[in-house]
Amino acid sequence: RKEVEQDPGPFNVPEGATVAFNCTYSNSASQSFFWYRQDCRKEPKLLMSVYSSGNEDGRFTAQLNRASQYISLLIRDSKLSDSATYLCVVNMYGNKLVFGAGTILRVKS
Amino acid sequence: EAGVAQSPRYKIIEKRQSVAFWCNPISGHATLYWYQQILGQGPKLLIQFQNNGVVDDSQLPKDRFSAERLKGVDSTLKIQPAKLEDSAVYLCASSSLAGLNSGEQFFGPGTRLTVL
Repeated sequence: RKEVEQDPGPFNVPEGATVAFNCTYSNSASQSFFWYRQDCRKEPKLLMSVYSSGNEDGRFTAQLNRASQYISLLIRDSKLSDSATYLCVVNMYGNKLVFGAGTILRVKS
Repeated sequence: EAGVAQSPRYKIIEKRQSVAFWCNPISGHATLYWYQQILGQGPKLLIQFQNNGVVDDSQLPKDRFSAERLKGVDSTLKIQPAKLEDSAVYLCASSSLAGLNSGEQFFGPGTRLTVL
């Protein structure tokens, strides 16, 4: 079993759609969780942290379910500029980030 | 604020040759990471430095890969000899002490290595 698993997609959605990505992780002792965004042929950049209580940043909402070892990212009102790969990232074993393989999002007009 | 710098941006070599990559982290960032990202996969940590000491190199193939961070600033990653499966993007990242807890790492543009 992979340490961090994501549906690779691609998710093809029209502008304005709502789309959700899921991620599961293997280490129940993991302490912190993040979503990174990676544009094509670019470096990853932190999108948002994921808190136990859930958190929202504009059109983006992240949620964590520790019991199920499950993380989600919801994007509302998708824009063309949201097209990218979204990487689920888990801080395991101390300060070591483990990246999922990413979910590809393509937003079309 | 200047970001993480890496060079070269692209490198093509033949198998069994050697190659070296250079990274200059964001000024003041104590922690430096080297990742390998194979096409279609997420970045995989190769080595983590805290200042000039190694924190984690458990996934570094030490028979062919080596890395150093002399003086706790710049870092070099070397592959000797290269294999076909080493073809990947090598990403350098850095974080501040606060970033260790926040999970925020700043990545450089990467070096795209092709081994023929």
